[in-house]
Amino acid sequence: GAVVSQHPSRVICKSGTSVKIECRSLDFQATTMFWYRQFPKQSLMLMATSNEGSKATYEQGVEKDKFLINHASLTLSTLTVTSAHPEDSSFYICSVGGHHTNQPQHFGDGTRLSIL
Amino acid sequence: GENVEQHPSTLSVQEGDSAVIKCTYSDSASNYFPWYKQELGKGPQLIIDIRSNVGEKKDQRIAVTLNKTAKHFSLHITETQPEDSAVYFCAASWGSSASKIIFGSGTRLSIRP
Repeated sequence: GAVVSQHPSRVICKSGTSVKIECRSLDFQATTMFWYRQFPKQSLMLMATSNEGSKATYEQGVEKDKFLINHASLTLSTLTVTSAHPEDSSFYICSVGGHHTNQPQHFGDGTRLSIL
Repeated sequence: GENVEQHPSTLSVQEGDSAVIKCTYSDSASNYFPWYKQELGKGPQLIIDIRSNVGEKKDQRIAVTLNKTAKHFSLHITETQPEDSAVYFCAASWGSSASKIIFGSGTRLSIRP
């Protein structure tokens, strides 16, 4: 069964609104989760590493005030796209670290964000 | 930082034939190399992975090879079937489940019936 649940699967909203995306680890507690962005016909680009109980680590070029990450529990990380604009339209995917250190990451099914 | 290059970007093979996708990485510290299959509108699904202490790994019709010296790794799919059509990504990581994964640019594989 699914290991990672991502919600919503699709969201359409007006420019200027904020959108929250949830990533849940279903099978185990995850101290580390990752957020990726994927534009059409492109690869996944890591945006940030979400650490439970501490601040997220953002990749170079990703605005931390634009993309707010909260990892308040061991099973939930949220990504909030603040004041979204059309250029933020993309496919956002989270992943969860394996239960044990040498286990692979599991990916959610992504959230298609469309900003009008 | 790590950089992963992937070729080809598109690949079309006749059903039943083999498909090969190749990747190179830049950081010699990388020690974990997963391969993902992504279908339209879905997240990537792990199909096979290999660690740097192994040169080859096989799982039914799928195999992966790793050349640490040359920093090359490849995915081989034999006896391709229509359901193999998807986008495939190679990736590199430092091996811990808490380590970030750097993806290649992807290969769109099409299987001709």
